Amino acid sequence: NAGVMQNPRHLVRRRGQEARLRCSPMKGHSHVYWYRQLPEEGLKFMVYLQKENIIDESGMPKERFSAEFPKEGPSILRIQQVVRGDSAAYFCAGRTNAAETQYFGPGTRLLVL
Amino acid sequence: KNQVEQSPQSLIILEGKNCTLQCNYTVSPFSNLRWYKQDTGRGPVSLTIMTFSENTKSNGRYTATLDADTKQSSLHITASQLSDSASYICVVSAKTGANNLFFGTGTRLTVIP
Repeated sequence: NAGVMQNPRHLVRRRGQEARLRCSPMKGHSHVYWYRQLPEEGLKFMVYLQKENIIDESGMPKERFSAEFPKEGPSILRIQQVVRGDSAAYFCAGRTNAAETQYFGPGTRLLVL
Repeated sequence: KNQVEQSPQSLIILEGKNCTLQCNYTVSPFSNLRWYKQDTGRGPVSLTIMTFSENTKSNGRYTATLDADTKQSSLHITASQLSDSASYICVVSAKTGANNLFFGTGTRLTVIP
């Protein structure tokens, strides 16, 4: 997963605050996926974006969660009014137009107190 | 329903021993199958990718097999090392759908000295 950057690596928020998670995929990777992983569980798909467009957001809660991947800059996963159940590791992955292999970032671990 | 199931859920082996991890899937139409290794606190890293026509693929001490008829795959690790301790995730890709990856919950492998 070298090259895919996520920040912050760890984020602590109190209930009701906002969390902003950033993902910079590798150069040339215009497709970005966000996943959530709870302790001892597998990765769960949240949203799939391709530069400036949301392709599939079927795995993302309708309320409080939003994602974007602007023409310039990183992809942002935003969680408003966080609750304890939002505590998890959030991974992003990127890929090119031509290939299916996704390259994962190191993840952001969100802890909601 | 598209599903990926892995077994065992966890496994402990002695350093130097071999082990085999299993993956059964019901994803259709099938495109390819990947095994990822996820170290604790890190993002998943791709080990192998296999298409419908491939039965076996090796990557160093890792050998993956695929039986497309029975929809089963295995990952064999030979001469295990302490650094093999990680979660191994089976990911199956479907040919259709914007988000077409289906993740198993992983096998947690611990190699002890």
